[in-house]
Amino acid sequence: TQLLEQSPQFLSIQEGENLTVYCNSSSVFSSLQWYRQEPGEGPVLLVTVVTGGEVKKLKRLTFQFGDARKDSSLHITAAQPGDTGLYLCAGVYSGGGADGLTFGKGTHLIIQP
Amino acid sequence: KAGVTQTPRYLIKTRGQQVTLSCSPISGHRSVSWYQQTPGQGLQFLFEYFSETQRNKGNFPGRFSGRQFSNSRSEMNVSTLELGDSALYLCASSYRTGYQETQYFGPGTRLLVL
Repeated sequence: TQLLEQSPQFLSIQEGENLTVYCNSSSVFSSLQWYRQEPGEGPVLLVTVVTGGEVKKLKRLTFQFGDARKDSSLHITAAQPGDTGLYLCAGVYSGGGADGLTFGKGTHLIIQP
Repeated sequence: KAGVTQTPRYLIKTRGQQVTLSCSPISGHRSVSWYQQTPGQGLQFLFEYFSETQRNKGNFPGRFSGRQFSNSRSEMNVSTLELGDSALYLCASSYRTGYQETQYFGPGTRLLVL
């Protein structure tokens, strides 16, 4: 079983602060995705990273895939209340086959105005 | 394109009953996956269907089953419900290119077992 560990589990910060969320595994993933989920809704895909060392930016969000493709981070600059939500990382195991997407348990992020 | 739709959105059942949840994927998507989401375990993969065939299966007991129809719509069934089956059940339709899989989730069905 491939596991994705996310940290921190919970994070509450003030508007305007920066933060980083981490996603780590002992397995190599062929690709890794970040999702954001709001209460009462399903997760929404933010980004997919595929290449080791890859960095992608989405407005104030910066996503990085580790060189060994075992870890990833999400950095938010100048967080806003609208960034509040559950952030999930999910990986496709590079061994291929029959596991579907493996999800981390998520980081609950609260941005206080 | 319309997104993934799931029905019903909310459901209350009692232990021992069975339940059927429905999912309509995005038009043109042939793969449908089901997940169970709970506060303690997070999102856990149940199974994936592609062209009416179960392609992948997670580590859930046989009480959890599913099927996919020729129009790609999918249903999942849980028999002999237990209290621990209370969860948000999410359906996702997807397309895959090489190792990349892009999943689009529905809003989920929240099941409460009393």
